[in-house]
Amino acid sequence: QKEVEQNSGPLSVPEGAIASLNCTYSDRGSQSFFWYRQYSGKSPELIMFIYSNGDKEDGRFTAQLNKASQYVSLLIRDSQPSDSATYLCAVWGNTGRRALTFGSGTRLQVQP
Amino acid sequence: EPEVTQTPSHQVTQMGQEVILRCVPISNHLYFYWYRQILGQKVEFLVSFYNNEISEKSEIFDDQFSVERPDGSNFTLKIRSTKLEDSAMYFCASTGQGDDTEAFFGQGTRLTVV
Repeated sequence: QKEVEQNSGPLSVPEGAIASLNCTYSDRGSQSFFWYRQYSGKSPELIMFIYSNGDKEDGRFTAQLNKASQYVSLLIRDSQPSDSATYLCAVWGNTGRRALTFGSGTRLQVQP
Repeated sequence: EPEVTQTPSHQVTQMGQEVILRCVPISNHLYFYWYRQILGQKVEFLVSFYNNEISEKSEIFDDQFSVERPDGSNFTLKIRSTKLEDSAMYFCASTGQGDDTEAFFGQGTRLTVV
């Protein structure tokens, strides 16, 4: 079983729409959850993190965590072409490791 | 805004040669990490470093790899005898104290082994 799973995409949405990105993780002991954005050839850029069940909003971004279902999601409202990138879900504390375990990422394409 | 800096941005080396990748973590951070990303694959944890010693390492981090904090600011990753399969982007990251788990990444070093 993969530790952090994401649909590889591409997920294609029109400009102005809501993009919904999903992630599941295998270790119930995982402590915190992160969404990074990665442009091709660049390093991961932290967008949001969430520790507690529920929703967390930051501007156009909303992270959602459901620990019972081991599920994390990221919603991007009013998607812009500049949001086109690969979105990486990362889990802290997977198997007790004090480091990040990444999913393989979902490629998002926002069509103008 | 504080940032993690890495040098060089691109390193080309011949198979069997030693390479040293350098990182300057955020100044008040205490935990330092190396991750790598082979082209088209996911970001993978290599090693974490705290209090001048390795805290954890993955199965990727074998005897060919070593890390060092030679002074108060630099954090280095050495690959002793590079292999073709070491070609990847190598990212340095750092986090703060205690429960602070927000990891900030450097811009990466693209290592190409020929």
